[in-house]
Amino acid sequence: AQSVTQPDIHITVSEGASLELRCNYSYGATPYLFWYVQSPGQGLQLLLKYFSGDTLVQGIKGFEAEFKRSQSSFNLRKPSVHWSDAAEYFCAAGEEEGYNKLIFGAGTRLAVHP
Amino acid sequence: DVKVTQSSRYLVKRTGEKVFLECVQDMDHENMFWYRQDPGLGLRLIYFSYDVKMKEKGDIPEGYSVSREKKERFSLILESASTNQTSMYLCASSFTTSGDNEQYFGPGTRLTVT
Repeated sequence: AQSVTQPDIHITVSEGASLELRCNYSYGATPYLFWYVQSPGQGLQLLLKYFSGDTLVQGIKGFEAEFKRSQSSFNLRKPSVHWSDAAEYFCAAGEEEGYNKLIFGAGTRLAVHP
Repeated sequence: DVKVTQSSRYLVKRTGEKVFLECVQDMDHENMFWYRQDPGLGLRLIYFSYDVKMKEKGDIPEGYSVSREKKERFSLILESASTNQTSMYLCASSFTTSGDNEQYFGPGTRLTVT
């Protein structure tokens, strides 16, 4: 069955440190891949998405993600974390012919220490 | 600016009550979705609709129904609320059914069933 796995439930980093959030997917073909962020009390906001082409994609707020087909991964990175990045991050995957339905990972909650 | 609104941020209902959650989007989007969000489970799709009066079951439709009489409005109905339906409910919309479309999310309704 199709699935998206985020192995880390909670991550804590210091402000200014680098960040990597992991995401693995299980699909028959290369899916469309997304990262969303949910700030406290808010809905989800799209950070970035990957469909094809360059495997390193840039998003908003200084985030980037790299698609690695051999590892079925789409990890999110940021070189220097800000206190305002504290939020929950969701990886999601969908198919070209799927009515734009997405399967979401369980989420990773990021805490940022000053 | 894109906007998805949900009728209530917080709702408290009693077991057995009929509950209506309303979602409105102002972007002329074809696709609309209802998810529930639970800690450790991420977002799970309840129902979606790709056109007026059209609806499709998602991954967890049991105990829920939906209505889409107008393009901009998508309602989630709990016919007889139960305590295991206590959750955060998120509505989303997207422009078309194409898999590469971004989904836009409302702020969520936190429903408590007592």
